[in-house]
Amino acid sequence: EAGVAQSPRYKIIEKRQSVAFWCNPISGHATLYWYQQILGQGPKLLIQFQNNGVVDDSQLPKDRFSAERLKGVDSTLKIQPAKLEDSAVYLCASSSIRDKFYEQYFGPGTRLTVT
Amino acid sequence: KQEVTQIPAALSVPEGENLVLNCSFTDSAIYNLQWFRQDPGKGLTSLLLIQSSQREQTSGRLNASLDKSSGRSTLYIAASQPGDSATYLCAVGLGDMRFGAGTRLTVKP
Repeated sequence: EAGVAQSPRYKIIEKRQSVAFWCNPISGHATLYWYQQILGQGPKLLIQFQNNGVVDDSQLPKDRFSAERLKGVDSTLKIQPAKLEDSAVYLCASSSIRDKFYEQYFGPGTRLTVT
Repeated sequence: KQEVTQIPAALSVPEGENLVLNCSFTDSAIYNLQWFRQDPGKGLTSLLLIQSSQREQTSGRLNASLDKSSGRSTLYIAASQPGDSATYLCAVGLGDMRFGAGTRLTVKP
């Protein structure tokens, strides 16, 4: 079974530029999560999708961050414009109700550096 | 708001030693508690998941316990190996999981 795929793995941009990250969850997983992990901290949930609907986006900075999950499979997370404090690893995870009570499976992450 | 704390922040032990990592949380009304491993530059690998109705889970040399009443979980690693060196994170919740900052473990040969 293929795991959660993310791309790119690394991205360096200047502040005020825009950037987009892509995630492909495990096949059949209806729930998809985007997390932000700042160096030295645990991941923080940004947004949770159930199929293509948003379940929780209370911690998403909506003035600059946006996310979508078309057709309930792949998802993209966008930052526009980026700030220095957005430098972090962006992790995508997926889960299924049929799999150990929503156990979350994580992708390798995208490391973003904003200069 | 759920707060998750992990102590210590870093731990260094000689190979072969048994060790315990600690996780505490403020709200005992949890669904799941999950322990993850994170290697440098990598994503999170799930180690053990304990449902709220369970007291412990075991996988190989790993044993995780859950005491909801005291708001604590421990991850016990038996006979540690250099390959166990990584950051260990605990998280509580179902959808909106709250993570601790992790314990960075170094096992010296």
